[in-house]
Amino acid sequence: GESVGLHLPTLSVQEGDNSIINCAYSNSASDYFIWYKQESGKGPQFIIDIRSNMDKRQGQRVTVLLNKTVKHLSLQIAATQPGDSAVYFCAEGGNAGNMLTFGGGTRLMVKP
Amino acid sequence: GAVVSQHPSWVICKSGTSVKIECRSLDFQATTMFWYRQFPKQSLMLMATSNEGSKATYEQGVEKDKFLINHASLTLSTLTVTSAHPEDSSFYICSAAPGGGAMDTQYFGPGTRLTVL
Repeated sequence: GESVGLHLPTLSVQEGDNSIINCAYSNSASDYFIWYKQESGKGPQFIIDIRSNMDKRQGQRVTVLLNKTVKHLSLQIAATQPGDSAVYFCAEGGNAGNMLTFGGGTRLMVKP
Repeated sequence: GAVVSQHPSWVICKSGTSVKIECRSLDFQATTMFWYRQFPKQSLMLMATSNEGSKATYEQGVEKDKFLINHASLTLSTLTVTSAHPEDSSFYICSAAPGGGAMDTQYFGPGTRLTVL
């Protein structure tokens, strides 16, 4: 059954600062990783993905870093804006068809 | 592109009622659709994987007779919560994968909030 009473870790940053959200994944055989953003009451929104044969990928204002040695994934957001406030989930895939396994999530709060 | 819709967005029902939730891929065909459940302040929990024209694959602990899934076409999957009870109240989210690629990003619907009184 599901865990009860979990509290999402929260990262609080000042508007304009850079944000770094971290994620530890579990399966060394995962072939790709995806970051999703979820605003309150909405479904997750794709941000950026990276394959296991890469260690860095950049998008618009976002960068994903992959460290397979320690099974660690991070999302860097440059010049964080109030609209970036949301919960961010990492997901790993490639182990069983199209199935994704989601991490626990981190809440990003941007202070004006 | 890659838009997934869900209907309804919010439903309130009495205990014992069956509720059907629709998930549609609007601008692509989805070989595979997924149904997730999310409790407040928690991550997404995969309930089942739905492949068009075949039976859904349920995750351990998810009752297939309780959560009926039908994937009748490449653009539509439905989840029916049968005889809903208050403990079934949750945020149900579907996703769709276009399929055919080695790295198939899932595109998520906006979610359906189910409240069972």
